[in-house]
Amino acid sequence: DAGITQSPRHKVTETGTPVTLRCHQTENHRYMYWYRQDPGHGLRLIHYSYGVKDTDKGEVSDGYSVSRSKTEDFLLTLESATSSQTSVYFCAITLGPGREGGYTFGSGTRLTVV
Amino acid sequence: GQQVMQIPQYQHVQEGEDFTTYCNSSTTLSNIQWYKQRPGGHPVFLIQLVKSGEVKKQKRLTFQFGEAKKNSSLHITATQTTDVGTYFCAGKTSYDKVIFGPGTSLSVIP
Repeated sequence: DAGITQSPRHKVTETGTPVTLRCHQTENHRYMYWYRQDPGHGLRLIHYSYGVKDTDKGEVSDGYSVSRSKTEDFLLTLESATSSQTSVYFCAITLGPGREGGYTFGSGTRLTVV
Repeated sequence: GQQVMQIPQYQHVQEGEDFTTYCNSSTTLSNIQWYKQRPGGHPVFLIQLVKSGEVKKQKRLTFQFGEAKKNSSLHITATQTTDVGTYFCAGKTSYDKVIFGPGTSLSVIP
């Protein structure tokens, strides 16, 4: 969808290396999220942000960290990539709880850890 | 823990046949959302249901929220090849936590 972009779209990295994925939005939405999608598990929340420098953990946060220094950017870092982190990562934005409308997702980043 | 389940996991239909996917929550939901993800794509928001017993229609798609606000369904009338994809429900709990179901993958045979 227009207004939210993820980079890179594809990445192959080696086990043990740090990896940073970027999500950029032009919608000025307060809430931003990182999900991972794996077969049989649907979408699982990694971390989310409810404002600049305000972040919280999701259900599968181990091995991941995030940062949000500007409203428009939300970074996801894998401190030391493992093969279990091979997945498709989606960033999403919303207006926030209590506001009408669902998530708008980015196009995703396919990460392979070898 | 709180769970959102969907059935069936997979559905193969002949073009023109109807399709229904069901979403069930272990807890009462404040609202439920539905998303469609085309193969190789990203989830796209379809609709949100808030009220008990609510029914909404979008062309050939009918969405329903159960009276107890613990289940929902998506029905597609006369499927077309453009309906191919995975349909996810996402339930919001009373704690503002959103839980995605595992999805139902729809294949349409021309």
